[in-house]
Amino acid sequence: VQVVESGGGVVPPGKSLRLSCSPFGFDLDTFGFHWVRQAPGMGLEWVAFVRYDGALKKYADSVKGRFTVSRDESKNTTYLHMSSLRPEDTAVYYCARGLWFGESHFDYWGQGTLVTVSS
Amino acid sequence: IVMTQSPPSLAVSPGARATLSCRASQAISRNLAWYQQRPGQAPRLLIYAASTRATDIPARFSGSGSGTEFTLTITSLQPEDFALYYCQQYNGWPLTFGQGTRLEI
Repeated sequence: VQVVESGGGVVPPGKSLRLSCSPFGFDLDTFGFHWVRQAPGMGLEWVAFVRYDGALKKYADSVKGRFTVSRDESKNTTYLHMSSLRPEDTAVYYCARGLWFGESHFDYWGQGTLVTVSS
Repeated sequence: IVMTQSPPSLAVSPGARATLSCRASQAISRNLAWYQQRPGQAPRLLIYAASTRATDIPARFSGSGSGTEFTLTITSLQPEDFALYYCQQYNGWPLTFGQGTRLEI
């Protein structure tokens, strides 16, 4: 069982970026997925959640209205669409597996993908 | 819900016991998890539901508490245990983490 993220990179302020997260060893439609970020030298911050069926999505206040989570069952992938990026969004972004319904711990984490917002 | 961990850092000798604390700003029942993060690595789940060890986690890690006060205890500290530890509540949205405790030799 593992989770693999991709899509990080350097992006200017105000631009957009899409991160991808794919599960291996289990199916997308049986678990919820969370995004958690960690700014350089800082602690962990929960960012967003999408339920197993895509019908429930939750966001941290710091990203609400700018970030969107989605999922594509045909690709077995969940996405974090980030727009209007700010320098303070610079962080390693982790995708983590949670329970199917919502609030839960995270039992499997990806290796993380670095997003740097800088001109 | 604000999660507060103490102490921010803790120096302990190998083979000894470490006790890390986590306090929630309001009652969260037992909806609490603990994670370990080694340098350059992703966090790893240690404990969930306040006291249930995750898969493959050694028995020297134990969790306790309910409501607002929680403890992670690590006995017989091994070299690989010196790392950062975070608590996380999942009693309500938004999910929140403590600021971490750094366990040092």
